[in-house]
Amino acid sequence: GAGVSQSPSNKVTEKGKDVELRCDPISGHTALYWYRQSLGQGLEFLIYFQGNSAPDKSGLPSDRFSAERTGGSVSTLTIQRTQQEDSAVYLCASSSDSGGPPYYEQYFGPGTRLTVT
Amino acid sequence: AQRVTQPEKLLSVFKGAPVELKCNYSYSGSPELFWYVQYSRQRLQLLLRHISRESIKGFTADLNKGETSFHLKKPFAQEEDSAMYYCARGGQGNLIFGKGTKLSVKP
Repeated sequence: GAGVSQSPSNKVTEKGKDVELRCDPISGHTALYWYRQSLGQGLEFLIYFQGNSAPDKSGLPSDRFSAERTGGSVSTLTIQRTQQEDSAVYLCASSSDSGGPPYYEQYFGPGTRLTVT
Repeated sequence: AQRVTQPEKLLSVFKGAPVELKCNYSYSGSPELFWYVQYSRQRLQLLLRHISRESIKGFTADLNKGETSFHLKKPFAQEEDSAMYYCARGGQGNLIFGKGTKLSVKP
């Protein structure tokens, strides 16, 4: 079946502009995660959605970052007033909550490479 | 705060040599631990999890609670093992990743 998809695959934007990154999780997966992957910093957790519960936003680095998940499926990560330090690969993952804690196995998308010039 | 430490950014070995990628975690009850792998131009994917006690692609990892470690081992490295490896632990619903170790297996 189809895996996690993300769009766009690459995004180049000017400093100060807003960007939206999209994630389509695996159908039926109730949990959705956003991570940021940058050189030397590994994978940084950003935000986590589980079903209808309030999202865990504890990883968002600043109030310029926000995310929504509509209808329990598609998610959008928005970065306002982008800065050069926002340049990274943004990864989305989803998981099923059947059989154990939702983080037992996360399925990752291909990522969106964001470059802020 | 829960942490995962991978002390080596880069590990380079020759084909056929044993390999060990180190991972230490901050102690907190009974952790759920995982190794994820990212091959060149591919997605990040689960390699193995400690609760399954399985061997995938010849890799094993043993949880050592006394040393708070979950090192990844393979007795004979292959060139196709070259990849980025991330150790992770379960947090409060999410995963906490280490910074990763790049494994390079030379012919």
